[in-house]
Amino acid sequence: EAGVVQSPRYKIIEKKQPVAFWCNPISGHNTLYWYLQNLGQGPELLIRYENEEAVDDSQLPKDRFSAERLKGVDSTLKIQPAELGDSAVYLCASSFGTGPYEQYFGPGTRLTVT
Amino acid sequence: AQTVTQSQPEMSVQEAETVTLSCTYDTSESNYYLFWYKQPPSRQMILVIRQEAYKQQNATENRFSVNFQKAAKSFSLKISDSQLGDTAMYFCAFLDPNFGNEKLTFGTGTRLTIIP
Repeated sequence: EAGVVQSPRYKIIEKKQPVAFWCNPISGHNTLYWYLQNLGQGPELLIRYENEEAVDDSQLPKDRFSAERLKGVDSTLKIQPAELGDSAVYLCASSFGTGPYEQYFGPGTRLTVT
Repeated sequence: AQTVTQSQPEMSVQEAETVTLSCTYDTSESNYYLFWYKQPPSRQMILVIRQEAYKQQNATENRFSVNFQKAAKSFSLKISDSQLGDTAMYFCAFLDPNFGNEKLTFGTGTRLTIIP
């Protein structure tokens, strides 16, 4: 069974530039999560999808961050414009359903903003 | 809001020894779930073990076991017969399954190094 796929694995951009991250969840997983992991910290939820609906985006900075999950499968997280403080690892995870189901994590995208 | 505290930023033990990682949490809920996740260097995070708060019996998974003390809001992870492959960041996480709150709240992690 293929795991959660994320691309790119690494991205270096200059501040004020746009950037996008892509995630392909495990087949059959209806719930998809985007997390932000700062250096030395645990992941923090940015947004959670149930199929194509964003059911929890309360922690997503909507002035510069956006996300979509068209057709309820793949998802894209975008930052525009990027700031120095956005340098972090962006993790995608998926699960069979919401609640106490195991979340399967992707390898993450490490973003460096210079 | 729930909080998760891991007070040991780093730990190291000799291979084959037993090590215990600490985690405390704060919640007003009675029904919830607790998890330990492992994040090896440059690899993705994987679930180690899960505990339902309504179960009094401590969860075990092979060499991994937990000591769940609900009244004390404590959830420690014990790794027996530690192996080099156990070297990783370990995150304690809390989940409130009530509608609208189904998200994992993670602690800051403990970096565990197994010494050959």
